[in-house]
Amino acid sequence: DIQMTQSPSSLSASVGDRVTITCRASQNIASFLNWYQQHPGKAPRLLIYTTSNLEPGVPSRFSGSGSGTDFTLTISSLQPEDFSTYYCQQSYNNPPTFGQGTKLEIK
Amino acid sequence: QVQLVESGGGLVKPGGSLRLSCAGSGFTFSDSYMTWIRQAPGKGLEWISYISSHATTTYYADSVKGRFTISRDNAKNSLYLQMNDLRVEDAAVYYCAREGGAAADFYFDLWGQGALVTVSS
Repeated sequence: DIQMTQSPSSLSASVGDRVTITCRASQNIASFLNWYQQHPGKAPRLLIYTTSNLEPGVPSRFSGSGSGTDFTLTISSLQPEDFSTYYCQQSYNNPPTFGQGTKLEIK
Repeated sequence: QVQLVESGGGLVKPGGSLRLSCAGSGFTFSDSYMTWIRQAPGKGLEWISYISSHATTTYYADSVKGRFTISRDNAKNSLYLQMNDLRVEDAAVYYCAREGGAAADFYFDLWGQGALVTVSS
């Protein structure tokens, strides 16, 4: 199985900050990388698929980039509702696997 | 309203069985590839099973293979997960999710609210 490793595991930031979360795959996954947001007690929500495609309804302050083994999720200007946990997930092959999550907290 | 709604969670003893259901609405369920994903308390997400739109193809994670069975009834817009020989480590919130994109794209654009399964004696 492909291992997905996110960094950092947790992050403190302020409203208005620009933040970047990194995801690394244990092997080349081309552009088959997706990002999800999960608030406590809620189901995950797809933010970005195939590295950089924004899911409809997701604010444009979210963006994704990368290829091969290294990927990033960037939030250009943090809003209060963005404080949450973020997961990357590879869809290159079966089984699809997730990173361990990055918890974004208010500083 | 486009949504998935799970039901059937609960408390079961180790070695017991449980069947989860997931009802889809607001979209063409019979065209959709579906998945079950679980999340143990305080932990990350684990994909566990997939079924193609007409149930011709299924996949399972090694952790549940031989114990869990995924199925669907397109006439009822419903997805199921039959869980047998449950273990303490199967305790989790179970989400049904719809595959985005084309067949077996393995990303998930619509999620249910989750069903809590507790395995304890």
